[in-house]
Amino acid sequence: NAGVTQTPKFQVLKTGQSMTLQCAQDMNHNSMYWYRQDPGMGLRLIYYSASEGTTDKGEVPNGYNVSRLNKREFSLRLESAAPSQTSVYFCASSKLAGGTHEQFFGPGTRLTVL
Amino acid sequence: RKEVEQDPGPFNVPEGATVAFNCTYSNSASQSFFWYRQDCRKEPKLLMSVYSSGNEDGRFTAQLNRASQYISLLIRDSKLSDSATYLCVVKGSNYQLIWGAGTKLIIKP
Repeated sequence: NAGVTQTPKFQVLKTGQSMTLQCAQDMNHNSMYWYRQDPGMGLRLIYYSASEGTTDKGEVPNGYNVSRLNKREFSLRLESAAPSQTSVYFCASSKLAGGTHEQFFGPGTRLTVL
Repeated sequence: RKEVEQDPGPFNVPEGATVAFNCTYSNSASQSFFWYRQDCRKEPKLLMSVYSSGNEDGRFTAQLNRASQYISLLIRDSKLSDSATYLCVVKGSNYQLIWGAGTKLIIKP
């Protein structure tokens, strides 16, 4: 099993460009999450999907949109990238939402916005 | 005050030593607590959950002190492979996890 996969691993964008980060899990998990990680700060939740067909805002949703394409896939879109969105983005999944189940993470996407 | 606070370190300790980290949290209603481990430029991985009565997994011991709102992680007989950043995680009131910024541990031979 691959677990949680993310593409791309690295990306450089210019301010104003758009892109979609892809995430897929093969563990039959119901819940999926997008986080960003910045130096000196904890992981911050951008959006999550408690189950297929639902999405909710996390702590820092501005500038992002998400799509839960099916049970396996959860994508994150930056419509107009800004330098403040330079970060490492992690996708995660868990059996259920609620904060009591282990979250499994993908390898991350390192995004630089110039 | 941050919701979850950790000493960023780094903690530099010799191989074989015992090292302890503390983490404080602000929401007294929090019910679930975890320690995750993150290797350099890698993704976080669950190290252990923290139970009210405390729990042990090999060389690792986690404790919860609800009255003082902190959790701790003790690593005994540290190995070079224990070098990593240790993330304290607390379940927030809205079911989301709140992550500390992490404590960096460096084990020296």
